[in-house]
Amino acid sequence: GENVEQHPSTLSVQEGDSAVIKCTYSDSASNYFPWYKQELGKRPQLIIDIRSNVGEKKDQRIAVTLNKTAKHFSLHITETQPEDSAVYFCAASRRNTPLVFGKGTRLSVIA
Amino acid sequence: DAMVIQNPRYQVTQFGKPVTLSCSQTLNHNVMYWYQQKSSQAPKLLFHYYDKDFNNEADTPDNFQSRRPNTSFCFLDIRSPGLGDAAMYLCATSVGPLGTDTQYFGPGTRLTVL
Repeated sequence: GENVEQHPSTLSVQEGDSAVIKCTYSDSASNYFPWYKQELGKRPQLIIDIRSNVGEKKDQRIAVTLNKTAKHFSLHITETQPEDSAVYFCAASRRNTPLVFGKGTRLSVIA
Repeated sequence: DAMVIQNPRYQVTQFGKPVTLSCSQTLNHNVMYWYQQKSSQAPKLLFHYYDKDFNNEADTPDNFQSRRPNTSFCFLDIRSPGLGDAAMYLCATSVGPLGTDTQYFGPGTRLTVL
């Protein structure tokens, strides 16, 4: 089955700097890669996703890149703000299989 | 407007006393999921329904059961809660098929076992 590794487990950045979180996956048939943000005590919320027919996707300060050959994908947050502080989960799946989540990255943005 | 609703938000039960958590959705999605999330960990899938088809994860304990009486509602029954079952329980929905689209999570029910 699919296995998703996520790094780093914790990340601290200064406000205004960029943050990068990386994930690798094992199943070459996986074709859907969402990123979820979970603030303390709240539900996970989708912030961006990418499918295997696209190499990069951007939404304002957030971007995701996918390298299918290397089986890894990354989340990039630019101009970080204190409200970006949260736990971020990557995930991977293919049709008819459930999402497999990474273990999460706790991002702290220091003002 | 709330799309995935979970009740109650907080549930306290005694060791061994059955408890039922509920989830409802206004999205008319085909797939409904139940996840268990412990502190600082990723959500762990317990089971999911694709319409009426029930799918149990291999490592979900028998102590956990689920019912989906109609498209909108899904229930999680914990027959004999143990201290290790204290966690946040998250319901989620998606249009489907499985693995192809966004999952929308409810706010969760935090279960405490005394």
